[in-house]
Amino acid sequence: QKEVEQNSGPLSVPEGAIASLNCTYSDRGSQSFFWYRQYSGKSPELIMFIYSNGDKEDGRFTAQLNKASQYVSLLIRDSQPSDSATYLCAVGGKLIFGQGTELSVKP
Amino acid sequence: DAGVTQSPTHLIKTRGQQVTLRCSPKSGHDTVSWYQQALGQGPQFIFQYYEEEERQRGNFPDRFSGHQFPNYSSELNVNALLLGDSALYLCASSDRDSLFETQYFGPGTRLLVL
Repeated sequence: QKEVEQNSGPLSVPEGAIASLNCTYSDRGSQSFFWYRQYSGKSPELIMFIYSNGDKEDGRFTAQLNKASQYVSLLIRDSQPSDSATYLCAVGGKLIFGQGTELSVKP
Repeated sequence: DAGVTQSPTHLIKTRGQQVTLRCSPKSGHDTVSWYQQALGQGPQFIFQYYEEEERQRGNFPDRFSGHQFPNYSSELNVNALLLGDSALYLCASSDRDSLFETQYFGPGTRLLVL
């Protein structure tokens, strides 16, 4: 079992829809969880971090954490074509990454 | 406020050669981590430096070594290059005293080994 798992996608949503990205992790002791966005050919850019169970909202982005289920998700409301990128879930201090989910937002 | 910088941006080497990659952390950050990202994969943790010492290491051979300088900048050295070392090498910096030490990435160095 991989330490951090994400569906590789591609996930395709129409412009204006909600995109839902999911991530599971294996280490129950993990304390910190991060979502990064990576455009093709670029480096990862931090979107959000979360460390408490529940929801954390920042603009169009909402991160959700459920430690009992070892599950982290990222919701993107009112998706825009500019949101098309690979979204990386990362866990812990030395950042164990999933393989990323490719999101495509169609106009 | 300068972000994380890396040099060079691109590099081409041949098998068996050695390479040195450089990283300057974001202003106010004292910890530098290095990652390798192969095409289509998530970044893989190589090691982390704090107070000029390697603090954590991922599952990488001894051919990968590093250094941190008193000004917090860092180098990644890779010896005896293999074709499989071709990847995007990412440096990330963080503040040891911040909550959960959020890491910010530089633009990366793309290494091609022929």
